[in-house]
Amino acid sequence: GQNIDQPTEMTATEGAIVQINCTYQTSGFNGLFWYQQHAGEAPTFLSYNVLDGLEEKGRFSSFLSRSKGYSYLLLKELQMKDSASYLCAVRNQAGTALIFGKGTTLSVSS
Amino acid sequence: ETGVTQTPRHLVMGMTNKKSLKCEQHLGHNAMYWYKQSAKKPLELMFVYSLEERVENNSVPSRFSPECPNSSHLFLHLHTLQPEDSALYLCASSPVGDSPNTGELFFGEGSRLTVL
Repeated sequence: GQNIDQPTEMTATEGAIVQINCTYQTSGFNGLFWYQQHAGEAPTFLSYNVLDGLEEKGRFSSFLSRSKGYSYLLLKELQMKDSASYLCAVRNQAGTALIFGKGTTLSVSS
Repeated sequence: ETGVTQTPRHLVMGMTNKKSLKCEQHLGHNAMYWYKQSAKKPLELMFVYSLEERVENNSVPSRFSPECPNSSHLFLHLHTLQPEDSALYLCASSPVGDSPNTGELFFGEGSRLTVL
């Protein structure tokens, strides 16, 4: 079966750091993705991890531990525009599609 | 401009109507996807086409019928839908092939469907 868990909602203040966790139990694994989706807009790609460790891209970093079935997205120096839904997704073993979690809605306040 | 264009952006239809959603990608990708996004639920994979062949059909009711005439176009034909089918239908495309492509998905902005 496929199960991807992430918190439903998180809140933070401008300038802070927030970590959004994702745990997964899937029948196969071929990479983990994070997407950002602002209300009323298309999801956009943030990061990709296929090996264990940390991938850093500007203010955003993503971490993967395959043995623990665990990833997190770290957002630094939060800005109001970071208020959005953050979607964790795992690519299936065949590599044909992404399976998504429910998403974490992050609200950033001043 | 996301490179993936969906029309119509909004659609209201009765349960006996037949309508179609259209998706077009200008990115040179050769895989295309339909996802359904409902409130409080994860994005649900519906169909995947790779090189114009359907490679995933995720137990979707037959009232949804996909069509992929070429690698740039994808349709979702709708007939005798139910109110619970009301949702945002997202189309996506991705490259298929050698590394270093991550295979990330490029999404359109979706078609918001309301079934009365």
